[in-house]
Amino acid sequence: EAQVTQNPRYLITVTGKKLTVTCSQNMNHEYMSWYRQDPGLGLRQIYYSMNVEVTDKGDVPEGYKVSRKEKRNFPLILESPSPNQTSLYFCASSLTNRGGQETQYFGPGTRLLVL
Amino acid sequence: GENVEQHPSTLSVQEGDSAVIKCTYSDSASNYFPWYKQELGKRPQLIIDIRSNVGEKKDQRIAVTLNKTAKHFSLHITETQPEDSAVYFCAASENTNAGKSTFGDGTTLTVKP
Repeated sequence: EAQVTQNPRYLITVTGKKLTVTCSQNMNHEYMSWYRQDPGLGLRQIYYSMNVEVTDKGDVPEGYKVSRKEKRNFPLILESPSPNQTSLYFCASSLTNRGGQETQYFGPGTRLLVL
Repeated sequence: GENVEQHPSTLSVQEGDSAVIKCTYSDSASNYFPWYKQELGKRPQLIIDIRSNVGEKKDQRIAVTLNKTAKHFSLHITETQPEDSAVYFCAASENTNAGKSTFGDGTTLTVKP
C-alpha cells in the first residue's frame, strides 16, 4: 500500500530534550516536506527536500533541522525543543514533474507537546 | 515570498446548496494551485488542483476556477452533502521554486442536513 508514515504519532517532552520525528514514504517520491499546523494558521512549511541531499528552508525553519540521506526518509529534528514548538506536524511527499509540483500525500501527523 | 489569503474562515450552508471558497495569492510566478480537504483528526487530502495554463477544472461536484490576472482562485462545491463538512485549504506554489508551498489559513465548512 502506497503511504507516508510518521513516528511517533504522539509525543510529550520537556524543554531542551532533543527529539526526532521520522517520516518515511514507499512511493519513490523525490519531493518531501514538513509542515506544522496550528489553530487558525493553516499549514506552514518548515523544510522541504527536492531530492536526496537537497534540502531547503520553508517559511518557519527556526528551531528545526532535517536531513535527506536516502530517498524514502526525511526526519525532522528538534535539537532543543521549546513550548512554542508544540504543534501538529505533517510530513508530505510527492513526485515532481519537470521541477513543478504534483499532488502531495500527507502522513497521519505527529502531535507534539513540549512542556 | 508568496502570501495566500483564504476567505471565508467559516462557512455554513444547507444540504444541497452550493459552497464557494476563495483564495488570493501575491506571487505572479505561482503556477500550481491545489485544494485539500481535512476532516476532523485526519490528514489533509487533495480534492482538486489546477495549473496556471487552464482557467477551470471540474470533477463531479467540485470545480476550481483560476483568474491569473486578478491572482485569485476559487473552489466551488455544488449539491453539498453533510460529508462535505471539513476544513478546506488552498495552496500555491511556483515552478521556479517548486519546493515551496504556501497554504491559506483554511475554511471550516459545515453542511447542515
